[in-house]
Amino acid sequence: ETGVTQSPTHLIKTRGQQVTLRCSSQSGHNTVSWYQQALGQGPQFIFQYYREEENGRGNFPPRFSGLQFPNYSSELNVNALELDDSALYLCASSPETGNTQYFGPGTRLTVL
Amino acid sequence: DQQVKQNSPSLSVQEGRISILNCDYTNSMFDYFLWYKKYPAEGPTFLISISSIKDKNEDGRFTVFLNKSAKHLSLHIVPSQPGDSAVYFCAASTHGSGNTGKLIFGQGTTLQVKP
Repeated sequence: ETGVTQSPTHLIKTRGQQVTLRCSSQSGHNTVSWYQQALGQGPQFIFQYYREEENGRGNFPPRFSGLQFPNYSSELNVNALELDDSALYLCASSPETGNTQYFGPGTRLTVL
Repeated sequence: DQQVKQNSPSLSVQEGRISILNCDYTNSMFDYFLWYKKYPAEGPTFLISISSIKDKNEDGRFTVFLNKSAKHLSLHIVPSQPGDSAVYFCAASTHGSGNTGKLIFGQGTTLQVKP
């Protein structure tokens, strides 16, 4: 059984650019949640996708957006990158909403 | 507003002894609590969870205790091993279908187990 995978592993962008991060959920999981982890902090909930629809959103601006595909993989898009967007972005999948979430290895984004 | 708090940034214990990691929460609507372990350059790994209808859950060397009246939970690791050295995150959520189950994390506690 394949776990949650994310790509790319690392990414460097400049302020104002746009970025797309990708996540493949664990087999049999239909729910994907995205988290941002700043240095020295716990992960913070960005949003969740369930069966291709957004199913809840944290305190993040609209320039953070996402998609979920029919195979339940997901993308996180961030427009107009700011320096404070530099963080580890984590994707987690679960069998259904409200179930235990299993995390991928994360994508380290650096904004210069 | 920090709804989940881990007040000890770090903990150091000797191999073979007990490690106790603590976590406090403020939101009484939380009904499901989890502990994750994180190594550098890896995502959080699920360790153990507990529902609010229980006060204890055990899995091998790991036991989680929940004190609802104090809004406090703790993770006990017995015996501690050097491979347990990692950052431990406490997380809380509202569980079950119909809820997102979004996780609210504490800041983490770095555990060092010395040989």
